[in-house]
Amino acid sequence: KAGVTQTPRYLIKTRGQQVTLSCSPISGHRSVSWYQQTPGQGLQFLFEYFSETQRNKGNFPGRFSGRQFSNSRSEMNVSTLELGDSALYLCASSLYISGGQDTQYFGPGTRLTVL
Amino acid sequence: AQTVTQSQPEMSVQEAETVTLSCTYDTSESDYYLFWYKQPPSRQMILVIRQEAYKQQNATENRFSVNFQKAAKSFSLKISDSQLGDAAMYFCAYRSGSGYSTLTFGKGTMLLVSP
Repeated sequence: KAGVTQTPRYLIKTRGQQVTLSCSPISGHRSVSWYQQTPGQGLQFLFEYFSETQRNKGNFPGRFSGRQFSNSRSEMNVSTLELGDSALYLCASSLYISGGQDTQYFGPGTRLTVL
Repeated sequence: AQTVTQSQPEMSVQEAETVTLSCTYDTSESDYYLFWYKQPPSRQMILVIRQEAYKQQNATENRFSVNFQKAAKSFSLKISDSQLGDAAMYFCAYRSGSGYSTLTFGKGTMLLVSP
């Protein structure tokens, strides 16, 4: 079974631009979560989607948004990019077994550099 | 809010030796899950092992095992017969049993393996 895929793997943008990152979950997985990883802050939760609905959101400004499609694929968007948005963005998918017993499996990440 | 603490920024071990990585967490919940993820230089986050809080038996996966001390809120990872391929950043993560998939990560421990 194919793993979580993320595109693109690398991006270079300039301040003020916007960017869209894509994540395709493992087949059959309905929950998709996004995390930002930086050397200073470590891994921080951005948001989680399940059945096209945002179920949970981390403490990030409104410039960070996302969505999930009916095939469970997810996109995240960052508008008005700032230098501090440079990070590795990780997507993770899970089956979402009721009772919280499922496990998240991660994609390879998208490395975003903001100049 | 839950917190996860990894007090060892870096650990070193020689091939074939055993090493233990420490993790403590803080929570008021009784139902939760704990994970160890490995992130090699490729940046792909790989699940190493998982532990359900309601299970008293410590989880094992081949050369990897945990020492789960629920009362002490401690969750250490033991790697036996260390191999060069074990060199990576190791993250301890907490997940509530309430239903959301959100993971709370520690800052990570860099494991160096020497021949």
